[in-house]
Amino acid sequence: NAGVMQNPRHLVRRRGQEARLRCSPMKGHSHVYWYRQLPEEGLKFMVYLQKENIIDESGMPKERFSAEFPKEGPSILRIQQVVRGDSAAYFCASSPWRPGIPPSGFFGPGTRLTVT
Amino acid sequence: QQQVKQSPQSLIVQKGGIPIINCAYENTAFDYFPWYQQFPGKGPALLIAIRPDVSEKKEGRFTISFNKSAKQFSLHIMDSQPGDSATYFCAASITGANNLFFGTGTRLTVIP
Repeated sequence: NAGVMQNPRHLVRRRGQEARLRCSPMKGHSHVYWYRQLPEEGLKFMVYLQKENIIDESGMPKERFSAEFPKEGPSILRIQQVVRGDSAAYFCASSPWRPGIPPSGFFGPGTRLTVT
Repeated sequence: QQQVKQSPQSLIVQKGGIPIINCAYENTAFDYFPWYQQFPGKGPALLIAIRPDVSEKKEGRFTISFNKSAKQFSLHIMDSQPGDSATYFCAASITGANNLFFGTGTRLTVIP
């Protein structure tokens, strides 16, 4: 039973390029959360999605960032026109239930984005 | 602003010692307090969690102490081992909300 899968594990982009980060939740999980971890900082919530719906995007930057979780396939976090400040580790977590309890145990290994 | 404040930033103990990591919060609506362990290059993994209706919870060598009136909680690792060397994060959330608020992390090193 595979855990939360994220790919790529490492991604290098030049300023101005687009970055696409993918997250496959655990089998049977229909809710995905994205968090960003800047160097030497804790994780910060970005967005919560369930299949085909964005439930809460209160932590997403207003520009350049978007997320989706289609009916089929992984959840995608997309960053357009990346800047150096986007360099961070991006983690997703999944859960099988409604958000009465946040995802407490099922984080993926993360994608480390480096913008040069 | 930082919703959950964590200290110390780093901690070095000898094998067998009892490292203690402290967290404090302001929002009295928080009602779920998990701790995560993160190894380099890995995602955070849930270690132990507590709700404010109890003052202490133990799971194996890990203990959470919770002081509701002081709005503080701490993680104690008994008989620490070199394999416990990792970064530990406290977090807090509100039942029904969609996200966790994380502390800034404590890098623990256990010396053999």
